[in-house]
Amino acid sequence: GENVGLHLPTLSVQEGDNSIINCAYSNSASDYFIWYKQESGKGPQFIIDIRSNMDKRQGQRVTVLLNKTVKHLSLQIAATQPGDSAVYFCAERNQAGTALIFGKGTTLSVSS
Amino acid sequence: GAGVSQTPSNKVTEKGKYVELRCDPISGHTALYWYRQSLGQGPEFLIYFQGTGAADDSGLPNDRFFAVRPEGSVSTLKIQRTERGDSAVYLCASSLKGQGYGYTFGSGTRLTVV
Repeated sequence: GENVGLHLPTLSVQEGDNSIINCAYSNSASDYFIWYKQESGKGPQFIIDIRSNMDKRQGQRVTVLLNKTVKHLSLQIAATQPGDSAVYFCAERNQAGTALIFGKGTTLSVSS
Repeated sequence: GAGVSQTPSNKVTEKGKYVELRCDPISGHTALYWYRQSLGQGPEFLIYFQGTGAADDSGLPNDRFFAVRPEGSVSTLKIQRTERGDSAVYLCASSLKGQGYGYTFGSGTRLTVV
């Protein structure tokens, strides 16, 4: 079935370090993936997306890597800042192409 | 408006009561989505509107849940005979493209059924 999961529920890093958040997905036919950041009391905020015809996409301080062979997605955050502390969700577009299916999330904690 | 607006931000209701949650999407966005998020979980899809029609309502858990979007902009999620298990944050999102591509979420309505 369609399921997007994460390897680790929590990740703690020091300010200035690079962070890597991982995600495994089960539907090999998925064509679109996205990362969201959610701060306490707020809705998810778009970070970066990637289509299945790409392996890598870069944004400002963030990079998403897609490995279709092992159905793995990762989000890399460079020079992590305290403001990056939040829950991060990966999501994939469902087979019907009508919605995003979310995993459970990884809580990133950044200490100064 | 500049973002997706949801009202109320918090709603406490008694078990068995009827509630309505409102979503104002970004102006011009034809696609609108409702999600439900329980504590510690990712958002769970409920329903997708393209314009005025529900293009996919497969995520609605049962017939106590219903949503409308009569003029293709504002949407209302309606829950009848609320149960304690309905307590969650209800998120609305909208997008220009629709079809499940990246969209903008509102801050949600926290529903508590007591």
